[in-house]
Amino acid sequence: AQTVTQSQPEMSVQEAETVTLSCTYDTSESDYYLFWYKQPPSRQMILVIRQEAYKQQNATENRFSVNFQKAAKSFSLKISDSQLGDAAMYFCAYRRGNFGNEKLTFGTGTRLTIIP
Amino acid sequence: DADVTQTPRNRITKTGKRIMLECSQTKGHDRMYWYRQDPGLGLRLIYYSFDVKDINKGEISDGYSVSRQAQAKFSLSLESAIPNQTALYFCATSEGRGSGYTFGSGTRLTVV
Repeated sequence: AQTVTQSQPEMSVQEAETVTLSCTYDTSESDYYLFWYKQPPSRQMILVIRQEAYKQQNATENRFSVNFQKAAKSFSLKISDSQLGDAAMYFCAYRRGNFGNEKLTFGTGTRLTIIP
Repeated sequence: DADVTQTPRNRITKTGKRIMLECSQTKGHDRMYWYRQDPGLGLRLIYYSFDVKDINKGEISDGYSVSRQAQAKFSLSLESAIPNQTALYFCATSEGRGSGYTFGSGTRLTVV
């Protein structure tokens, strides 16, 4: 079974600084997708960024980018110019690519605090 | 209206009671999921459905049942609630393959 590990239960960063959240995963598949979700205090789950395993290029979405290291099975999230609204739980998630297996496996989450 | 609607938003129930959590979606997606979130454990899959006639157990299905009444509706039942089922429950939908999920806003369930 696939597993997703987030080894940092809590992180903090000064406003306007950059922070990196770590995620590693275990799989024997070559075709898969990786995601970062944000859960603010409102508890809504919001998709931040998505990466396709067969794409070498790291995904970016405005201030959010990933460092995808396929051989190392690592998928870290970098948040640049941190803002107070970035304070949230962040979950890393994995999904196999083949049809009929579209289930997301989540990590345990990292709580990010932004220091004004 | 939200794409994925969960009701109720919060619920307190007593041990031994039967309770149903409801989920409806306007996304037109075939795939629907129920997850449970506990502090320190992340989100764990309870049940999932790829269409009205296809329902599958997830990793923690014991004590739960589901019903897919229509493409747009997927409900989760706790037949006899127990305190360790206290959690935040999410319904989600997916377009399939590599797409992410669209989540509902969650139901916080407390079993006393």
